[in-house]
Amino acid sequence: QLVLTQSPSASASLGASVKLTCTLSSGHSRFAIAWHQQQPEKGPRYLMKVNSDGSHNKGDGIPDRFSGSSSGAERYLTISSLQSEDEADYYCQTWGTGGVFGGGTKLTVL
Amino acid sequence: EVQLVESGGGLVKPGGSLRLCCAASGFSFSSYNMNWVRQAPGKGLEWVSSISTGSSYIYHADSVRGRFTISRDNAENSLCLQMNSLRAEDTAVYYCAREVDTIIDSWGRGTLVTVSS
Repeated sequence: QLVLTQSPSASASLGASVKLTCTLSSGHSRFAIAWHQQQPEKGPRYLMKVNSDGSHNKGDGIPDRFSGSSSGAERYLTISSLQSEDEADYYCQTWGTGGVFGGGTKLTVL
Repeated sequence: EVQLVESGGGLVKPGGSLRLCCAASGFSFSSYNMNWVRQAPGKGLEWVSSISTGSSYIYHADSVRGRFTISRDNAENSLCLQMNSLRAEDTAVYYCAREVDTIIDSWGRGTLVTVSS
């Protein structure tokens, strides 16, 4: 069964960088995933697709501060030059026998 | 610009029914698989249902199978979700979402469904 695992929380200082991780369950290390951002009291927003080879395709209007990468079964979202508006929940998503979401990571910008 | 606008949410009693719809614009609706995703208060995102471009392939989460039915009308650029036998645990914001090759790449703003007596 395909499962996406995310740490529940992360924090980093204003202006710093942070790397969020989404781990694919055993046997699914070649799957692509998407990253979505959900700011407080707002709907989700598509950020990018991250492939198993580390390439990524960002959504329209997503700043260059956001980038994606991969290593084995892990998919990463790196946010550099953190801004206050980056404080949000971040979800990874893919498809197994149906849609699959990770539990989300709540990012706090200190 | 891709636009997905949900409608039909509201307050319904346990055991009742509700029909959600999503009006799509700004893209070739008939060329994309479409999904419903929900989010219960204070919880994460949960995939609900998916429908292929020509409605040949339909999938539902175990939690709603047999109670919810997804459908689409490509002529009207519309996606719907018929929800029957509603339970308190179905209370959530329901989002319409466009899918490209297993990846959701666009979201609507959502519509709130509250199941309560």
